[in-house]
Amino acid sequence: EAGVTQFPSHSVIEKGQTVTLRCDPISGHDNLYWYRRVMGKEIKFLLHFVKESKQDESGMPNNRFLAERTGGTYSTLKVQPAELEDSGVYFCASSQAGPPYGYTFGSGTRLTVV
Amino acid sequence: ILNVEQSPQSLHVQEGDSTNFTCSFPSSNFYALHWYRWETAKSPEALFVMTLNGDEKKKGRISATLNTKEGYSYLYIKGSQPEDSATYLCAFRVWNFNKFYFGSGTKLNVKP
Repeated sequence: EAGVTQFPSHSVIEKGQTVTLRCDPISGHDNLYWYRRVMGKEIKFLLHFVKESKQDESGMPNNRFLAERTGGTYSTLKVQPAELEDSGVYFCASSQAGPPYGYTFGSGTRLTVV
Repeated sequence: ILNVEQSPQSLHVQEGDSTNFTCSFPSSNFYALHWYRWETAKSPEALFVMTLNGDEKKKGRISATLNTKEGYSYLYIKGSQPEDSATYLCAFRVWNFNKFYFGSGTKLNVKP
């Protein structure tokens, strides 16, 4: 079984530019999550999709962040325009529907805004 | 906002030493406590899912205990090896919510 795949693994962009992160969850996993770890701090929740619907987006920091999940398959997280404080590791995770199982994480996208 | 705290923040031990870390979490509305092992540039790897007060789980040289009434979990590594070097993350899950609240992790460095 293929794991959760994230692309790109690293991205370095200038302040004010746009970046789009992509996550391909495990096939059949309805739940898809985005998390972010900034500057060695704790990993923080951004949002949760169930299929193509946003179940909980309470962790999205501001309207510069836009997440989509087309057809309930892969998801994208766009940051526009990027700011310095957006630098960090963005994790995607997926899980099965039903009782809350543990997540399967991707290896993350390390975003550096300069 | 729920606070999940891990201590120590970092730990340096010699190969063969046994070590343990702590994860503290709110004792109310508890659903599950997850432990992950994370090496930079890799996916966090699930170690344990703990749900019942008094749970003890073991995987090789690594074990964990859970006390939901007082809100803490311990992770133990017996006879640390250099390959155990990683950041160990705990994540707390509240009843009826799918999202995790993570601690900031304990970074373990095992010297040969």
